[in-house]
Amino acid sequence: QKEVEQNSGPLSVPEGAIASLNCTYSDRGSQSFFWYRQYSGKSPELIMFIYSNGDKEDGRFTAQLNKASQYVSLLIRDSQPSDSATYLCAAHSGGYQKVTFGIGTKLQVIP
Amino acid sequence: ETGVTQTPRHLVMGMTNKKSLKCEQHLGHNAMYWYKQSAKKPLELMFVYSLEERVENNSVPSRFSPECPNSSHLFLHLHTLQPEDSALYLCASSQDGATNEKLFFGSGTQLSVL
Repeated sequence: QKEVEQNSGPLSVPEGAIASLNCTYSDRGSQSFFWYRQYSGKSPELIMFIYSNGDKEDGRFTAQLNKASQYVSLLIRDSQPSDSATYLCAAHSGGYQKVTFGIGTKLQVIP
Repeated sequence: ETGVTQTPRHLVMGMTNKKSLKCEQHLGHNAMYWYKQSAKKPLELMFVYSLEERVENNSVPSRFSPECPNSSHLFLHLHTLQPEDSALYLCASSQDGATNEKLFFGSGTQLSVL
């Protein structure tokens, strides 16, 4: 069974610090990886995606992928209280939108 | 119009009721999805439609019945639900379901079954 593992948290970081969110996946056939942010009571919103090994940066966000270790991470620099949300990691292993989601990590940024 | 709209936002129903959830996407996408989100569980894919044809049905109980009359509209018909069906039901769309597709979610329907 394909799984995506995340620590549910909460992960607490002070404002201005770097938040590091991690995710591992079981299916070596996974080809693309996504990070969704979900505020309490709201729907998930895509914030980052990565397909190749290495780092991908977008503003304060950096996604990292290591396919050999089956590991994906999301770094949030200069964390703000508005970043407090649950972050869902997802892996796509081909076929018709076969996306597997993790349970999400709750991030709390303390002012 | 926002990208993906869902109605109603909240729904309370008894176990013998019949109700429907509605989803509409304004993004010109060809694929639409129903997901279920329960507390402390990963998002669970229920149904996938591509160009109005169902392409995925993840062993969902028959008390959930999807309908996709065109590529912009998706319904989830509910009947004789159980209390354990209480959850957030999310509609999503994507361009066409290719490998690197990104999902766009609606605001969800919070369903409570009494």
